Amino acid sequence: NAGVTQTPKFRVLKTGQSMTLLCAQDMNHEYMYWYRQDPGMGLRLIHYSVGEGTTAKGEVPDGYNVSRLKKQNFLLGLESAAPSQTSVYFCASSPVHGGSDSYEQYFGPGTRLTVT
Amino acid sequence: AQSVAQPEDQVNVAEGNPLTVKCTYSVSGNPYLFWYVQYPNRGLQFLLKYITGDNLVKGSYGFEAEFNKSQTSFHLKKPSALVSDSALYFCAVREFRLLNKFYFGSGTKLNVKP
Repeated sequence: NAGVTQTPKFRVLKTGQSMTLLCAQDMNHEYMYWYRQDPGMGLRLIHYSVGEGTTAKGEVPDGYNVSRLKKQNFLLGLESAAPSQTSVYFCASSPVHGGSDSYEQYFGPGTRLTVT
Repeated sequence: AQSVAQPEDQVNVAEGNPLTVKCTYSVSGNPYLFWYVQYPNRGLQFLLKYITGDNLVKGSYGFEAEFNKSQTSFHLKKPSALVSDSALYFCAVREFRLLNKFYFGSGTKLNVKP
């Protein structure tokens, strides 16, 4: 049981380049989330999904797109990277309320992205 | 609006002394409250949660937290700090009606000195 995994772990992009971050979970969780973490700002929600085929905007969605074609995967895309998107990105998943005794989120190890 | 506040950016404590990391929240309805710990260059790890029941909840690594509804607080505590407890701690609330969202505090850096 790997939990939540993220690829890649590190990436350096030039301004204007595109990339996709992949998150995968093997816990059969319905909900998945993408956050970014910047110094002194805690975690900010980018996008989230409440189930396969659904996505919704979070607190800071501009410049990002997401897709949830399979229940276990949640992809975060940057179409045209900007230096302001330099950050550490975390994926998380959680079960449905009432579906189990576990209400918390499970986090991946993070992706460190630098845009130059 | 839902929110979580961690009023201290940093907490310093000597090894062996008790520690408290503060958290207050604002949420409509009954709160689901969580504490997470983050070690350098790692993801967040779950420590403990309050869902219902006893106001004092116990979690991993000897940590506990006290839910106080009247003060809307959920402070993290440990009777005797270890140097290895040094890390970044986040408080979070899961809103009852929209259970697909979590709200995180800005984090508190705990420094435990030998």
